[in-house]
Amino acid sequence: RKEVEQDPGPFNVPEGATVAFNCTYSNSASQSFFWYRQDCRKEPKLLMSVYSSGNEDGRFTAQLNRASQYISLLIRDSKLSDSATYLCVVNRATTDSWGKLQFGAGTQVVVTP
Amino acid sequence: DTEVTQTPKHLVMGMTNKKSLKCEQHMGHRAMYWYKQKAKKPPELMFVYSYEKLSINESVPSRFSPECPNSSLLNLHLHALQPEDSALYLCASSQPPRSGAPYYGYTFGSGTRLTVV
Repeated sequence: RKEVEQDPGPFNVPEGATVAFNCTYSNSASQSFFWYRQDCRKEPKLLMSVYSSGNEDGRFTAQLNRASQYISLLIRDSKLSDSATYLCVVNRATTDSWGKLQFGAGTQVVVTP
Repeated sequence: DTEVTQTPKHLVMGMTNKKSLKCEQHMGHRAMYWYKQKAKKPPELMFVYSYEKLSINESVPSRFSPECPNSSLLNLHLHALQPEDSALYLCASSQPPRSGAPYYGYTFGSGTRLTVV
């Protein structure tokens, strides 16, 4: 079983609509959680960290459910520029593994006019 | 603009060539990383340097040789590569996490797209 799993999509979303997707992780010792976005042939860019109480950054809302071991990302009022692959990233941050971010395979979002 | 600078952006090399990838950051980060990413796959960790010392080598073949000359620079020396080594090579940096402190994740460079012919 992969340590971090995501629905690959694509999620086809009309402009202005809301889209949400999850990511599950298998290691209960995971400490830090992030969403990165990656555009085609570009580097991953940190979208937001995910905090235990949930957090919002503009149109983006991230939630963490430790009991069920998943994190979610919700995008409101989708823009064409939101089209990208969203990578779920988890870090166990223990002494021997702090450098090892675990990446999901990514969820592709396509926002259409 | 990215705060982690990688050069070159593109590299084509033959299987007998020796080349180097370079990475530089001036954010004061003390951890630097090399990742390899194939098309439509997530990045895969290759090496981690912490305070200029190699702390993680993910069983990478010896034809890839990392070097960290100082806290701002990270190199990846390439020799006798195979066509299957063609990929996007990403450098990243971060502060090492500290107990009780939030962890802010990595900053990635824009990558070097390597083609081995």
